[in-house]
Amino acid sequence: SAVISQKPSRDICQRGTSLTIQCQVDSQVTMMFWYRQQPGQSLTLIATANQGSEATYESGFVIDKFPISRPNLTFSTLTVSNMSPEDSSIYLCSVELRAAQYFGPGTRLTVT
Amino acid sequence: GENVEQHPSTLSVQEGDSAVIKCTYSDSASNYFPWYKQELGKRPQLIIDIRSNVGEKKDQRIAVTLNKTAKHFSLHITETQPEDSAVYFCAASINTGGFKTIFGAGTRLFVKA
Repeated sequence: SAVISQKPSRDICQRGTSLTIQCQVDSQVTMMFWYRQQPGQSLTLIATANQGSEATYESGFVIDKFPISRPNLTFSTLTVSNMSPEDSSIYLCSVELRAAQYFGPGTRLTVT
Repeated sequence: GENVEQHPSTLSVQEGDSAVIKCTYSDSASNYFPWYKQELGKRPQLIIDIRSNVGEKKDQRIAVTLNKTAKHFSLHITETQPEDSAVYFCAASINTGGFKTIFGAGTRLFVKA
């Protein structure tokens, strides 16, 4: 499996501000994904980020709100922009490695 | 698009009993079916997976079965232990060229000692 780290692990932010979450992998991977998990809920895919191309967003998620960078094969960032309390959630990065999918530890975001 | 339904939402068993979680999927193009275990406050952990060319796979106390015709797949845990208590997610993925995974709603498993 892959070793995946995320920073920060948690944060408390004020509404209207932005937070950038970093995801680092110990292997070179083509596909990286960003998910959101509300408390007690399942995992919802925000977007797929492949190195060298624009991220592909799922229905209900837009680039202006969740801009993503993918500068190389081991790193990605997700920004949550102009935050509101509804953005409070756990954000997880994920990678595809050898035809299986693995998750980072998540970033717990609270917006006040 | 793909839709994955998972049942039951909550399952309580006595230690040593078996637990079965069932999922159905809608997209016949799905060809990869992973199962994840998520303990409180932790990341989803891949525990077993099955691909569409296989009907059953076993790893110690955990087994997964797949019925492609009926679009059903199930997770079986035998001889349950308290440390099996967690939320389990099934998922269906189309893994050809791209890779897109849709998750079930999850099953909260309680194993009573």
